[in-house]
Amino acid sequence: DADVTQTPRNRITKTGKRIMLECSQTKGHDRMYWYRQDPGLGLRLIYYSFDVKDINKGEISDGYSVSRQAQAKFSLSLESAIPNQTALYFCATSDLMLNTGELFFGEGSRLTVL
Amino acid sequence: GIQVEQSPPDLILQEGANSTLRCNFSDSVNNLQWFHQNPWGQLINLFYIPSGTKQNGRLSATTVATERYSLLYISSSQTTDSGVYFCAVEANSKLTFGKGITLSVRP
Repeated sequence: DADVTQTPRNRITKTGKRIMLECSQTKGHDRMYWYRQDPGLGLRLIYYSFDVKDINKGEISDGYSVSRQAQAKFSLSLESAIPNQTALYFCATSDLMLNTGELFFGEGSRLTVL
Repeated sequence: GIQVEQSPPDLILQEGANSTLRCNFSDSVNNLQWFHQNPWGQLINLFYIPSGTKQNGRLSATTVATERYSLLYISSSQTTDSGVYFCAVEANSKLTFGKGITLSVRP
């Protein structure tokens, strides 16, 4: 089983719908991240969390919200999806205690907004 | 914020060839990582290398933090090396990614 699991892996939805992408990890890491990947733009940070009580905006947080339900779970929500949110979304984790910063990714969630 | 530039943007190799991928960054960083994204979209951590040189099989990486660049070397390339290579640098507790280098290795 993957250490960082994302659900759903693929989702097609319509403009205006609410969407939640979920991420769970078994690595025991404190830090969790949500990134968005668009062709030619690399990965851009949406939100990050250093522990259950800590939520921080990344560079492109508008239109998104997150919830850190537990150390192992970090979900991303699109309250009212729009077509330019069509992208590949990645959850990632890293270990604060070791302070290495080494990042581990989930397998990605491909979202299409029609 | 910090700028990360990777070059070349695209690279085509014949199987067995060697290559060097470059990552330049605009400011001091706490760490640097190289990732490979395979054609199926999976992102794999290749190296965590804030400074110095590391090797893992046919791949090696060198970061010269004082000169703000890192190099990823691929020797005896194989078709399975195809994909996109990203470098990412950490500053202020956030990781910033370059736009990636698309590598195609032809049999």
